[in-house]
Amino acid sequence: SQQGEEDPQALSIQEGENATMNCSYKTSINNLQWYRQNSGRGLVHLILIRSNEREKHSGRLRVTLDTSKKSSSLLITASRAADTASYFCATDGETSGSRLTFGEGTQLTVNP
Amino acid sequence: NAGVTQTPKFRVLKTGQSMTLLCAQDMNHEYMYWYRQDPGMGLRLIHYSVGEGTTAKGEVPDGYNVSRLKKQNFLLGLESAAPSQTSVYFCASSSPPAGGPYEQYFGPGTRLTVT
Repeated sequence: SQQGEEDPQALSIQEGENATMNCSYKTSINNLQWYRQNSGRGLVHLILIRSNEREKHSGRLRVTLDTSKKSSSLLITASRAADTASYFCATDGETSGSRLTFGEGTQLTVNP
Repeated sequence: NAGVTQTPKFRVLKTGQSMTLLCAQDMNHEYMYWYRQDPGMGLRLIHYSVGEGTTAKGEVPDGYNVSRLKKQNFLLGLESAAPSQTSVYFCASSSPPAGGPYEQYFGPGTRLTVT
């Protein structure tokens, strides 16, 4: 079963606006990662946040993690048309070893 | 440095036919994975390997077999293809540092249609 569930399933915004995507998971995790997938391509790693971290930044990306609510959010600031893609969260837990469990993804469309 | 490559990119099979998907990585990664992605869904792990000569089942292993004879290659086999195996298949690799987290590097995918 899928560990992560993303919300919303689809998001459409204008260039320059901020985009926020949420991920919820069910069991305790060690780390949570976000990946991007452009249409017809493989996934690309964006950012990783450890279970003992609450917030992390990378360029225009900001990730938060609330382990008490078992949820994470990905914020993309000042979005660009090139940010149009699907975004997936992935978790690894104490019993999963090297395996990641992916959510179903959020399809982001940034309109020029 | 090509990263993770997959062969072939596209394939159409008839029900009952067999085929092998090849994944190769040139990053000297220990771990390799095979996923399938169906429309509107995330990735589901089929099989994975934590080192040369080792394989393990993932979330949806039925109907698939794998082999890791060389560290850089991970093969996914379909012995008797079924329409339910129509999907996009992704290979990934990683090399977790001791006790540390890791990211996975993905190939471009193989789009398989079984008629």
